[in-house]
Amino acid sequence: EDQVTQSPEALRLQEGESSSLNCSYTVSGLRGLFWYRQDPGKGPEFLFTLYSAGEEKEKERLKATLTKKESFLHITAPKPEDSATYLCAVQARGGGSNYKLTFGKGTLLTVNP
Amino acid sequence: NAGVTQTPKFRVLKTGQSMTLLCAQDMNHEYMYWYRQDPGMGLRLIHYSVGEGTTAKGEVPDGYNVSRLKKQNFLLGLESAAPSQTSVYFCASSYMISSGANVLTFGAGSRLTVL
Repeated sequence: EDQVTQSPEALRLQEGESSSLNCSYTVSGLRGLFWYRQDPGKGPEFLFTLYSAGEEKEKERLKATLTKKESFLHITAPKPEDSATYLCAVQARGGGSNYKLTFGKGTLLTVNP
Repeated sequence: NAGVTQTPKFRVLKTGQSMTLLCAQDMNHEYMYWYRQDPGMGLRLIHYSVGEGTTAKGEVPDGYNVSRLKKQNFLLGLESAAPSQTSVYFCASSYMISSGANVLTFGAGSRLTVL
């Protein structure tokens, strides 16, 4: 069974204070690892897809990295508007899992001005 | 483009009542999903569809039924609502990119309270 564990559950930062969110996963063959951002009262919004160990992707102040067991979402010099819940999800290769994503419980990030 | 639209946005039901949540997408996506999101539990897959006329069970299907009569619509039904079905429901649709990975686009959610 695919499993995704995110840590910490909640993170509070000061504006400009860089940090990282962790996503540990167990999957029988990784098709893709996804990061989503969710604002209160809204649906998740897609950020990144990573496919293989060593891959990195960047978007503004966010950088996602991937190893064989975990992914990190690095936030550099965050701003209050980066406050949100960040969700990690995995898609496995083959069989009935070919279409499904398994999500972690998310990390609630709060950036104070 | 509207993307993924869910109706209604809010609904209060009494135990035993029935209702249907409607999801519509205008992106011509093949795959559609219903998730529920509960505090401390994350997003859990209820049912999904890989094409018009097909449906399959996800992680937590009990108490729910779905139908996909048209490619753009995916309906989630509760035949006899229970308080345990109080949740926020998210519909999503996806396309498969060249790598085989599915990029999901979510709706804004439907908040359901069962008294």
